[in-house]
Amino acid sequence: GAGVSQSPRYKVAKRGQDVALRCDPISGHVSLFWYQQALGQGPEFLTYFQNEAQLDKSGLPSDRFFAERPEGSVSTLKIQRTQQEDSAVYLCASSLVRTGRYEQYFGPGTRLTVT
Amino acid sequence: AQSVTQLDSQVPVFEEAPVELRCNYSSSVSVYLFWYVQYPNQGLQLLLKYLSGSTLVESINGFEAEFNKSQTSFHLRKPSVHISDTAEYFCAVSDRDSGAGSYQLTFGKGTKLSVIP
Repeated sequence: GAGVSQSPRYKVAKRGQDVALRCDPISGHVSLFWYQQALGQGPEFLTYFQNEAQLDKSGLPSDRFFAERPEGSVSTLKIQRTQQEDSAVYLCASSLVRTGRYEQYFGPGTRLTVT
Repeated sequence: AQSVTQLDSQVPVFEEAPVELRCNYSSSVSVYLFWYVQYPNQGLQLLLKYLSGSTLVESINGFEAEFNKSQTSFHLRKPSVHISDTAEYFCAVSDRDSGAGSYQLTFGKGTKLSVIP
């Protein structure tokens, strides 16, 4: 079956613009995670959804970052008033299991460049 | 809090030679352990995982890793590498018991494996 998909794959934004990044998880997967991967670094956790409920947003770096998953499937990560330090690859992962333990399946990521 | 240290940022190795990619972790609780591989312009793919049971785990393409609790390590090994193994490898951990929380992964910074023909 289809894996996790993300769109767009590449996004260039001018500083101050708002952006929206989309994640389509594997069908039926309950858990959904967003990670941020800066250049030369490992991914870092941003936020977690169980179905439509956002249960953990402790990794969001500022109140400019907002994520939603209104129907428990597709998720959108929104960044308002983008800054250069927001430039990174944003990865989405989903898991069949409620808490995301055991295994997470990753999408290809969206590479965001803020100029 | 957890942390993962991958001691080598880059590892060049000749084709058909053995390789070891090192991973050490720090955690105040029991953990699950994972190795993910990332090929250029692709997402992370799970290579292998340790959840419980035998401390030696293997992947379908010849990699293996051994969980060493006393040394808090989960090194990745392959006895003979191929050109196609060229990629970036990430070690990750998650809490074994996070209560009502989620099992988000904490990653190391990654090791770039370059296989030389």
